Amino acid sequence: NAGVTQTPKFQVLKTGQSMTLQCAQDMNHNSMYWYRQDPGMGLRLIYYSASEGTTDKGEVPNGYNVSRLNKREFSLRLESAAPSQTSVYFCASRPGLVQETQYFGPGTRLLVL
Amino acid sequence: EDQVTQSPEALRLQEGESSSLNCSYTVSGLRGLFWYRQDPGKGPEFLFTLYSAGEEKEKERLKATLTKKESFLHITAPKPEDSATYLCAVQGYTTDSWGKLQFGAGTQVVVTP
Repeated sequence: NAGVTQTPKFQVLKTGQSMTLQCAQDMNHNSMYWYRQDPGMGLRLIYYSASEGTTDKGEVPNGYNVSRLNKREFSLRLESAAPSQTSVYFCASRPGLVQETQYFGPGTRLLVL
Repeated sequence: EDQVTQSPEALRLQEGESSSLNCSYTVSGLRGLFWYRQDPGKGPEFLFTLYSAGEEKEKERLKATLTKKESFLHITAPKPEDSATYLCAVQGYTTDSWGKLQFGAGTQVVVTP
């Protein structure tokens, strides 16, 4: 039981390049989340998926797109990377929406030059 | 809008020196308050969920308490392995809060031998 896995662990992009961050969970959770973490700002929600087939914007969605491929997988895409998107990205999952903790992956460190 | 403020930003303790971390929150009806521990280069690790004022939970040297406006994480006789960043998050009852956690910026704790 691996929990939440993320790939890649680290990535360097040039401004304007695109990439997709992958996330998968093996806990049969319904809800999945993408956050970014920047120094002094805590975790900020980018997008979330309450269940397979649905996605919703979080606090900072601009410049990102997501796909809930199936119940296990939730990907985050940067179409045209900008230096402001340099951050650590975390994926999380949760059994449902109500009063249940989120379980986090190990993170992807992204540097945009 | 849900808001979470953690204090202090950083805390340096001697081994055995007990202390408390504060998490002040503003939310339209509290569904749950969550405490996480985050080690450098890792994803947040769940510690506790508190649901109502007066509730307390303990795990080893950590004890979390909850009032209507704030939560405290008490660290009793800390050891160097308790060094980490401690994150607080809330989920509210409003439609805008549904399924989403609002995180504080965290308190970085360093425990020296």
